[in-house]
Amino acid sequence: GDSVTQMEGPVTLSEEAFLTINCTYTATGYPSLFWYVQYPGEGLQLLLKATKADDKGSNKGFEATYRKETTSFHLEKGSVQVSDSAVYFCALSDRGTDSWGKFQFGAGTQVVVTP
Amino acid sequence: DADVTQTPRNRITKTGKRIMLECSQTKGHDRMYWYRQDPGLGLRLIYYSFDVKDINKGEISDGYSVSRQAQAKFSLSLESAIPNQTALYFCATSDFAGYTDTQYFGPGTRLTVL
Repeated sequence: GDSVTQMEGPVTLSEEAFLTINCTYTATGYPSLFWYVQYPGEGLQLLLKATKADDKGSNKGFEATYRKETTSFHLEKGSVQVSDSAVYFCALSDRGTDSWGKFQFGAGTQVVVTP
Repeated sequence: DADVTQTPRNRITKTGKRIMLECSQTKGHDRMYWYRQDPGLGLRLIYYSFDVKDINKGEISDGYSVSRQAQAKFSLSLESAIPNQTALYFCATSDFAGYTDTQYFGPGTRLTVL
């Protein structure tokens, strides 16, 4: 079945450092890929998404490119801020299969940014 | 006002009690979901509903039941709560637009079963 694997955390960075969170997936159909962010005490918020191969999603300085050849959707940000401290979830929704309409989430990666 | 609301936000209960968690949405979406979040396990799907007359089990439905009272309301019940149901519970909705959809989450309910 479909699955999402993302790097374990916590990832601890200094402010203005470069952030990468790796995400790889397995899917049998035509997945859309997502990154969600969860700030402390809150629900998940959509950060960005990509719906087909080679699409790049971007938002708030974060970017991720849908790489079908490597089945990856790595999240990057060039210069993190303390306010980026959160848990980040990679997810997919696989159309064209019985799983259509159900999301698969990764385990989440906690990011801690220090001043 | 928030588009997806959950009540209560926090609940402490005892083993064997019946608990209902409620979710309401003003987004006009047909699809609604219940997840639980445990540390290190990400989000796991409990139940989902694609419209008022459609209810489906997710990967961890044992010990839970749901009711879709209207397009905007989707409730999760624990018939007889047990300690390993202590978790953070999220309701979500999704907009199926063409060939893709996006999920929108409520703020969560933190449930503790003693």
